[in-house]
Amino acid sequence: IQMTQSPPSLSASVGDRVTITCRASQSIDNYLNWYQQRPGKAPKLLIYAASSLQSGVPSRFSGSGSGTDFTLTISSLQPDDFATYYCQQSYSSLWTFGPGTKVEI
Amino acid sequence: EVQLVQSGAEVKKPGESLKISCKGSGYSFANNWIVWVRQTPGKGPEWMGIINPSDSDTRYSPSFQGQVTMSVDKSISTAYLHWSSLKASDTAMYYCGRQDGIVALTGSHYYMDVWGKGTTVTVSS
Repeated sequence: IQMTQSPPSLSASVGDRVTITCRASQSIDNYLNWYQQRPGKAPKLLIYAASSLQSGVPSRFSGSGSGTDFTLTISSLQPDDFATYYCQQSYSSLWTFGPGTKVEI
Repeated sequence: EVQLVQSGAEVKKPGESLKISCKGSGYSFANNWIVWVRQTPGKGPEWMGIINPSDSDTRYSPSFQGQVTMSVDKSISTAYLHWSSLKASDTAMYYCGRQDGIVALTGSHYYMDVWGKGTTVTVSS
């Protein structure tokens, strides 16, 4: 299963609402996770099962979608949120990640 | 605190062997599968495979089958990733992660909820 993300990168300001899109090459129901990766750090789980917020993750992060199209929304961008975001499907036992969306200032 | 501690950076020559490690603490290591992921600069992570610490059941991505070997020593809560003959193309960051999940009406959803800090492997002559 191939995962694509758009846009590849975006520029935003603190306080902006940001939306990132992820598309699967076939239906994956809601078997979709989102991760945040800051430079030089390991990825961090944000959202699982398309819309469930991982414990400890701020509520400004939300996820939606089902089937082939998914979105990650940051309601009010904070300085800590400048990072690269990856989607990942777990529908297939062969997990695949998207290429990432880099959120820059 | 639940954590996975990975071994340090490695610099090797092509053809050499290598084993890197991932030690779990703060939870029952045998209860969660361990995932290995490769990442090269500017690219998304690639799922390499997964191992069950309780019985060493292992599943590999076809892209990595035969290229690496995953193993585990549950007595010391440590998972390993081994290469018998490194190539320059193995140069990358390698992460281990704990697989966790939930059971929902529609099925079981799995994800990596705890990640190691990564081990950088550089293969160069």
